[in-house]
This record gives sequence, structure tokens and C-alpha cells, in this order.
Amino acid sequence: QKEVEQNSGPLSVPEGAIASLNCTYSDRGSQSFFWYRQYSGKSPELIMFIYSNGDKEDGRFTAQLNKASQYVSLLIRDSQPSDSATYLCAVQRDSNYQLIWGAGTKLIIKP
Amino acid sequence: NAGVTQTPKFRILKIGQSMTLQCAQDMNHNYMYWYRQDPGMGLKLIYYSVGAGITDKGEVPNGYNVSRSTTEDFPLRLELAAPSQTSVYFCASGTGLKFQPQHFGDGTRLSIL
Repeated sequence: QKEVEQNSGPLSVPEGAIASLNCTYSDRGSQSFFWYRQYSGKSPELIMFIYSNGDKEDGRFTAQLNKASQYVSLLIRDSQPSDSATYLCAVQRDSNYQLIWGAGTKLIIKP
Repeated sequence: NAGVTQTPKFRILKIGQSMTLQCAQDMNHNYMYWYRQDPGMGLKLIYYSVGAGITDKGEVPNGYNVSRSTTEDFPLRLELAAPSQTSVYFCASGTGLKFQPQHFGDGTRLSIL
């Protein structure tokens, strides 16, 4: 079992709809979680982080964390073609604070 | 504000050649990281450093070496380049503290032919 798992996609979503990206992790002790966006040929850029159970909203983005079920998700409301990218989930190890990376989910927003 | 700067952006090497990928950060971060990313894959940690003079292996260190003589710089050395080292290399830095993210450079695209 991988430490951090994401569906590789591609996930195709119509413009204006809600895109839902999921990530599961194996280390129950992990406490902080990061979502990065990576456009093709570019470097990862931080979108959001979350460390408390529940929802955290930032503009069109909502991160959701459920530690009991060991999953974290990212919702993108009113999806735009510019949201088309690969979304990487990173889980911070509680032992040394290193980030463990999922393989990413490719999101395609169709106009 | 430059952040994390990587050079070069692109490089083609012949099998057996050596080169150094440069990484510099101006955020006074103690922690620095080297990752490689193969097409369609996630990030794999090669080496990391928790401060000047201190480095440690990550998940895929074979074929690489690093040094950290200053807080700002963290070069990655490839010795005897092999086709399997064709990849995109990202340098990142961070505070290394809980709840703190890593910040990435623009990457170096390296092809070994």
C-alpha cells in the first residue's frame, strides 16, 4: 500500500461544475496536508493546506479532511478551463515533517 | 523576491558525463530538498538537507551526490550520467516545521542520450 494514494485520472469535468479530487493516506499520525497544483511543464505551486478535521475554504477551493477515515479532498467550485492541471496531494509525516507525495490527479475542465 | 532559483532550465548530457544542477534560495530556509519527477509520476525525494553541512538520503539517492556549504545553496551532482536519470529535477525549500509547506523552483529538464 502506498503511503499517499490518488486516482491518476484524468478526471474530466464540465466548465462551471464542481471538481472533486480525493487523496487517502496510510500514516494515521499525519496531521497536516497540502494540495499543490502543477500545470504541464511547470513546478508545483501550493493551493491550500489543512490540519483540522472538517472544511477549509479559500475562494473557489475547499479542502476537506477526515482523519478518522484517513482521507483528504479538494473541491473546486465553478471550475474554469484554467483549473486544468495535475493536483498533487502531500501528507506531512509527523515523525520528521517531511512531505510524502501522491502521484497526482490530472484534471481536465471542458469548456 | 526570487524564492527558489534553479539553473540550468534545460540540459542534454551524453551517457557517462557529469554535471551539477544548481539551486539557491533567498528565504533563509534551513531545509532544502531535491526531487525528481518522471513523466506522469509523482515526486521522488533524492536528497535533503536540514542545514548547512548536513545532508541525508531520500528515496532514490543512487547516482547522485549533494553538498550544503551555505544556507542558500544546495547543488545536486550527477556522476556518470545514465539514461535512467532522464527526468525533471525540482529543488524545494522550507522551514521544516510542522504545518509548513515546501516552495519549489522552476525545475531543470535533463535528458541523457
